[in-house]
Amino acid sequence: DVKVTQSSRYLVKRTGEKVFLECVQDMDHENMFWYRQDPGLGLRLIYFSYDVKMKEKGDIPEGYSVSREKKERFSLILESASTNQTSMYLCASSSGEPGETQYFGPGTRLLVL
Amino acid sequence: AQKVTQAQTEISVVEKEDVTLDCVYETRDTTYYLFWYKQPPSGELVFLIRRNSFDEQNEISGRYSWNFQKSTSSFNFTITASQVVDSAVYFCALSEALSFQKLVFGTGTRLLVSP
Repeated sequence: DVKVTQSSRYLVKRTGEKVFLECVQDMDHENMFWYRQDPGLGLRLIYFSYDVKMKEKGDIPEGYSVSREKKERFSLILESASTNQTSMYLCASSSGEPGETQYFGPGTRLLVL
Repeated sequence: AQKVTQAQTEISVVEKEDVTLDCVYETRDTTYYLFWYKQPPSGELVFLIRRNSFDEQNEISGRYSWNFQKSTSSFNFTITASQVVDSAVYFCALSEALSFQKLVFGTGTRLLVSP
């Protein structure tokens, strides 16, 4: 079974803090993705990576950055957390073939006070 | 531009009822992929099905079935004899072949199945 894990299920941070969300997959997948989920908006793509040290902006990259130093690990960074970044963050991974299924982690609920 | 519409925000049924979740998509690509995911209260998205644009065969998996119709750009999901454990938010998603696996999600349909 594909396993995608995220470092925290719940996180509470203060405005202005630097926040790291970690994601690890164990299926040797080339592609990894970060989404945020908000009520009424579905899931929106923040960043994705198709290879180590490679990254591409998604639909809502503002206020975020990412890091992929190893194939199995993809980090989402909030340089200076703001209250409008309170959300559910979901990580996913997939193989490199077109149309392949993305497998998701359990999600991190982030609250920024 | 690709878009997925799930017009039903929330559906409530009683156990053993059949229920259909609607999904309408927009794409200019001729090769694309459609997905359904289930998100139970725990929060993790669980993959249910993947369909490519060249395969319009309907699919049945136990109590679940999917009806893909290119003529109406729809990919509807039916649960037969619903159960309380089916209560979740269900997402339909679209990926175009040239979009580097970027998934575009609908806003989801919350299904509540009561005993």
